[in-house]
Amino acid sequence: DAMVIQNPRYQVTQFGKPVTLSCSQTLNHNVMYWYQQKSSQAPKLLFHYYDKDFNNEADTPDNFQSRRPNTSFCFLDIRSPGLGDAAMYLCATSREASSYEQYFGPGTRLTVT
Amino acid sequence: RKEVEQDPGPFNVPEGATVAFNCTYSNSASQSFFWYRQDCRKEPKLLMSVYSSGNEDGRFTAQLNRASQYISLLIRDSKLSDSATYLCVVNPGTGFQKLVFGTGTRLLVSP
Repeated sequence: DAMVIQNPRYQVTQFGKPVTLSCSQTLNHNVMYWYQQKSSQAPKLLFHYYDKDFNNEADTPDNFQSRRPNTSFCFLDIRSPGLGDAAMYLCATSREASSYEQYFGPGTRLTVT
Repeated sequence: RKEVEQDPGPFNVPEGATVAFNCTYSNSASQSFFWYRQDCRKEPKLLMSVYSSGNEDGRFTAQLNRASQYISLLIRDSKLSDSATYLCVVNPGTGFQKLVFGTGTRLLVSP
């Protein structure tokens, strides 16, 4: 039973061409996160939503935006992908902001050509 | 200095061996500590939380040393299926329950 679903699993986009990654969850968790993970590096938090409240990390580039139209869905928009944005993008959820355990989706691997 | 530092490995061990990983964290106000496991090209999954008193889950034992600001993970009787990257994760105690991940230690268990 998939709990955090990410689509697509693999995405190829061209340099500068906007791309949207999607995440959905069946856990009814209040908090949703987007992480970027490059090869052999730690997952890096980009931003999170607590319910509809959006929280951006200070060092997240403006090129990255997010939308959460409802509890179940969250989107990551990359407005003008650069070669350096090629990475695995992980969506995660937690029940509450005070919850430590985060449940990750399988990730979307983004390639920029 | 990175907030969470780990030896990237890889640690190559035979089946049945005992192996230990350490992790150091820089923020003395950090409140919570975890080990996550990440298989190649897969998502991280929570392995265990790390409590001040230490905790054990089957073959896995986690310890926390607040004075020295390090966390350890001990795996006994290694199995082939233990081959993975082990991520040390810290909540830095900044109010929101943000998790900061280490880069991970890669373990390879061979027959």
